[in-house]
Amino acid sequence: GAGVSQSPSNKVTEKGKDVELRCDPISGHTALYWYRQRLGQGLEFLIYFQGNSAPDKSGLPSDRFSAERTGESVSTLTIQRTQQEDSAVYLCASSLAGGLETQYFGPGTRLLVL
Amino acid sequence: GQSLEQPSEVTAVEGAIVQINCTYQTSGFYGLSWYQQHDGGAPTFLSYNALDGLEETGRFSSFLSRSDSYGYLLLQELQMKDSASYFCAVRDNYGQNFVFGPGTRLSVLP
Repeated sequence: GAGVSQSPSNKVTEKGKDVELRCDPISGHTALYWYRQRLGQGLEFLIYFQGNSAPDKSGLPSDRFSAERTGESVSTLTIQRTQQEDSAVYLCASSLAGGLETQYFGPGTRLLVL
Repeated sequence: GQSLEQPSEVTAVEGAIVQINCTYQTSGFYGLSWYQQHDGGAPTFLSYNALDGLEETGRFSSFLSRSDSYGYLLLQELQMKDSASYFCAVRDNYGQNFVFGPGTRLSVLP
């Protein structure tokens, strides 16, 4: 079956512009996560959606970051007024339930802010 | 707060056994997971321990000691393709926060 997909795979933008990153989770997975990974570093948790519950936004680094999810399907991560420090790979993962047992990651979106 | 510690780099030769340790400090605990990430690739799930003891999956095993807030990933019969970064991860705070360790870069030499 299809895995987690993300688009675009690469995005180059100018400082100050807004960007939207998309994630299509595995069908039937109720949990969806967004992470940020800077070059050579670990994964930084951003936000977590579980079913119809209110998302856990505790990892969002600033109010320029927001995310939405439509039901148990597509999610969009939006970064407003991008800064150079936003340059990173943004990874999306989904899991069948909300546990940490198995998260399936997408290929990521590589964002470069000039 | 919560934090995880892992060695930054480990080097071993083909056919050897290597152990990657992970210590954690969390306000709650809901299990320890391990992920593998090759350069330029996405993390892939390796194992999960919710209870103390050893979980074995082929050449990879994972161990957890909740009393010591410690776990490790054991890789046996190392192959060149095992060269990658390995991350431990925990979920705490009653399941609301997900924290990954800084990663251990494993280099397997011929």
